Amino acid sequence: ENVLTQSPGTLSLSPGERATLSCRASQSVSSNYLAWYQQKPGQAPRLLIYGASSRATGIPDRFSGSGSGTDFTLTISRLEPEDFAVYYCHKYGNSPGTFGQGTQLEIK
Amino acid sequence: QVQLVETGGGVVQPGRSLRLSCAASGFTFSSHGMHWVRQSPGKGLEWVAVIGGNERTQYYADSVKGRFTMSRDNAKNTLDLQMNSLRTEDTAVYYCAREGNWGEWYFDLWGRGTLVTVSS
Repeated sequence: ENVLTQSPGTLSLSPGERATLSCRASQSVSSNYLAWYQQKPGQAPRLLIYGASSRATGIPDRFSGSGSGTDFTLTISRLEPEDFAVYYCHKYGNSPGTFGQGTQLEIK
Repeated sequence: QVQLVETGGGVVQPGRSLRLSCAASGFTFSSHGMHWVRQSPGKGLEWVAVIGGNERTQYYADSVKGRFTMSRDNAKNTLDLQMNSLRTEDTAVYYCAREGNWGEWYFDLWGRGTLVTVSS
């Protein structure tokens, strides 16, 4: 099983700052099949990024994804108040995937 | 409106059964693989099962194989998950989710989820 480890567990920042979230896989992710989701309390996850760097429909361009192989990054260029949430990475393919344990992005 | 709405959750005793449903609207349901994903405090997000648009392809997580069965009705735009022999570790919020791209199991649309609690 390809284990995804996200860091940090909690990130405390202020609106307007830049956020950098990391996702490391225990094995190389083929075809860069890596997605990122945002989840707010009481809500379902929302797709932000797929294919490591492609933004989903309707996602603001302050969200960007990068990386390849085993190391991936989600960057939020300038935090808005609505961006404070939990973020999950997800390794997928045409077989069962795995999720990271999440990074809690909280207001400082 | 493009959406998925799950129903059927509740409290059930270990060993009993429960059937979840998911109603889809606003998109061509039969063109998409559909999945169930669950989320529990202890295990985080966990993929459960998939059914292809043509209904013939189905895969299940090892943790539910032989106990859970997925089905769909493309005429009614509905998805079901029959859960038998439930265990306490099946307690979770269950989401139905739409496959983002054929053969790529990321999820571009999620329902709001339905809570299943397995407890005596």
